[in-house]
Amino acid sequence: KAGVTQTPRYLIKTRGQQVTLSCSPISGHRSVSWYQQTPGQGLQFLFEYFSETQRNKGNFPGRFSGRQFSNSRSEMNVSTLELGDSALYLCASSLGFRQETQYFGPGTRLLVL
Amino acid sequence: GDSVTQMEGPVTLSEEAFLTINCTYTATGYPSLFWYVQYPGEGLQLLLKATKADDKGSNKGFEATYRKETTSFHLEKGSVQVSDSAVYFCALSNYMEYGNKLVFGAGTILRVKS
Repeated sequence: KAGVTQTPRYLIKTRGQQVTLSCSPISGHRSVSWYQQTPGQGLQFLFEYFSETQRNKGNFPGRFSGRQFSNSRSEMNVSTLELGDSALYLCASSLGFRQETQYFGPGTRLLVL
Repeated sequence: GDSVTQMEGPVTLSEEAFLTINCTYTATGYPSLFWYVQYPGEGLQLLLKATKADDKGSNKGFEATYRKETTSFHLEKGSVQVSDSAVYFCALSNYMEYGNKLVFGAGTILRVKS
């Protein structure tokens, strides 16, 4: 069974631009979560989607948003990029919604100049 | 809120040495506990998990036991290899927090010398 896939793998943007990252979960998985990984803050939870609804959200500004489609694929969007948004963005999928093991994709590395 | 504390690294060991990475947590209720590993340039791989007190998770020679009385989930391996060099993350998932959200420790870099 194929794992979690994320596209693109690398991105370079400039301040003020916006970016959309994509995640395809493991087949049959209905929950998708997003995390931001930086050297300074470590791994931080952004949000989780299940059945096309956002079920939980971390402490990030409204510039960070996401959505989930009927096939469970998910996208996250960051508007008005700041230098501090440079990070590895990780997507994880799980079978269901309550205390299920999460499986991670390879991540999208975003560099904001 | 919930939190996870890991021993700071880097941890440098010789091949075949014994490994312990300490992890303690603070959480309400009965969280599930995890160890994930991250190799350079990759995402996180699940190493092992435990869902209730006294459970022992094990995989690829790594073990960790869920100790509720000491709120700990220390990672151990009897004989490390160079290929074990990576960053190890301890994490918890708390159903009372709603959903599958993982709270991670800061990560511990492990370097194994041949």
